[in-house]
Amino acid sequence: AQKVTQAQTEISVVEKEDVTLDCVYETRDTTYYLFWYKQPPSGELVFLIRRNSFDEQNEISGRYSWNFQKSTSSFNFTITASQVVDSAVYFCALSEAKGNKLVFGAGTILRVKS
Amino acid sequence: GAGVSQTPSNKVTEKGKYVELRCDPISGHTALYWYRQSLGQGPEFLIYFQGTGAADDSGLPNDRFFAVRPEGSVSTLKIQRTERGDSAVYLCASSLRRQETQYFGPGTRLLVL
Repeated sequence: AQKVTQAQTEISVVEKEDVTLDCVYETRDTTYYLFWYKQPPSGELVFLIRRNSFDEQNEISGRYSWNFQKSTSSFNFTITASQVVDSAVYFCALSEAKGNKLVFGAGTILRVKS
Repeated sequence: GAGVSQTPSNKVTEKGKYVELRCDPISGHTALYWYRQSLGQGPEFLIYFQGTGAADDSGLPNDRFFAVRPEGSVSTLKIQRTERGDSAVYLCASSLRRQETQYFGPGTRLLVL
């Protein structure tokens, strides 16, 4: 069975701090996809990144970076120099190649204070 | 281009009533998904359409829930005999094909009194 765990329920940081959001997943499939979505106060889920299980290269996009480690079944997300606009709920999700759905973690609430 | 749209944005109904929630996916996307998000939780899968057919309805909680996509584009989620426990945000997503990235709509917030 597939499962995603986001152990951090809520994180508060001060603007310009770096912050890392943890994601640990479980799957029996060898082929799968990992995602991060952002849900700002407006409520709409915004796609951030997708990685497949065969690509362990870390990715950087502006202030965002992702660290994928199959050895520890983790897909962590780091925001560098956080800004107030980063305040949102962040969800990590998993999709198995044989499946048809996204399985989401419970989400991490990020509060960035000015 | 236009994203996924959902109507209504909010729906208040009374226990026992019937409701319909509509989803208009991104043009050209063949795969469409419905999820339900309760307060403080991540979205939970309900049903997946590939074209006009429901390819996976394993997430529907019971037979009061039903969804259709008759022409392979717009989809309607139907809930009969609503219960207070059905109150949640219902999210629709679409993707170009199965296993491609899913893009979400703004959701319909359903409140059953």
